[in-house]
Amino acid sequence: EVQLVQSGAEVKKPGESLKIACKGSGYSFTSYWIAWVRQMPGKGLEWMGIIYPGDSDTRYSPSFQGQVTISADKSISTAYLQWSSLKASDTAMYYCARQPGIAVPLRYFDYWGQGTLVTVSS
Amino acid sequence: IQLTQSPSSLSASVGDRVTITCRASQGISSYLAWYQQKPGKAPKLLIYAASTLQSGVPSRFSGSGSGTDFTLTISSLQPEDFGTYYCQQLNSYPALTFGGGTKVEIK
Repeated sequence: EVQLVQSGAEVKKPGESLKIACKGSGYSFTSYWIAWVRQMPGKGLEWMGIIYPGDSDTRYSPSFQGQVTISADKSISTAYLQWSSLKASDTAMYYCARQPGIAVPLRYFDYWGQGTLVTVSS
Repeated sequence: IQLTQSPSSLSASVGDRVTITCRASQGISSYLAWYQQKPGKAPKLLIYAASTLQSGVPSRFSGSGSGTDFTLTISSLQPEDFGTYYCQQLNSYPALTFGGGTKVEIK
């Protein structure tokens, strides 16, 4: 059974750093892309970026380039999303999702993690 | 590429036929997916390539369209179909944008 299991909720102060995780199981982790999607409170979905754990090829949305870093450790089938200096506006639910391929017809998300709620408040 | 969904919300009765539209700001061929999100849950893939039903999704869901205009249809609304529905364009990197969502409520 394919599963993406994310790390637990976080409460941080502005200016702090954070790294959240997404562990894949039940499939070949290095053969699929992992994307990160933001959902701010009461709002819609925003595509942040994507990584191919097989070779760490990473793409970012212009809206998030320079604001976050996406990485992966294929030895433990885990992808990460990290911030070096959080802002209150980073408060949101963050989802990881599996993308079957990079070719256009395959860029949908067929499995999702349960989400990690990040709260940034002084 | 911008995606505009309509309506933003709707209320319908069990058994009704429900149609949600998604319009792209430029042509995206058939590279569109639809997701359902229930409150407090992660989104779930319903349809990809505009009209291909994801495995395990009930056949009352269907998708159509190409170019700039797409529709998601629920042929006979069921109580468990409440939630918010999002379209996503798959055509244009570096950001695979989502529509603003359509909230479906059961009367």
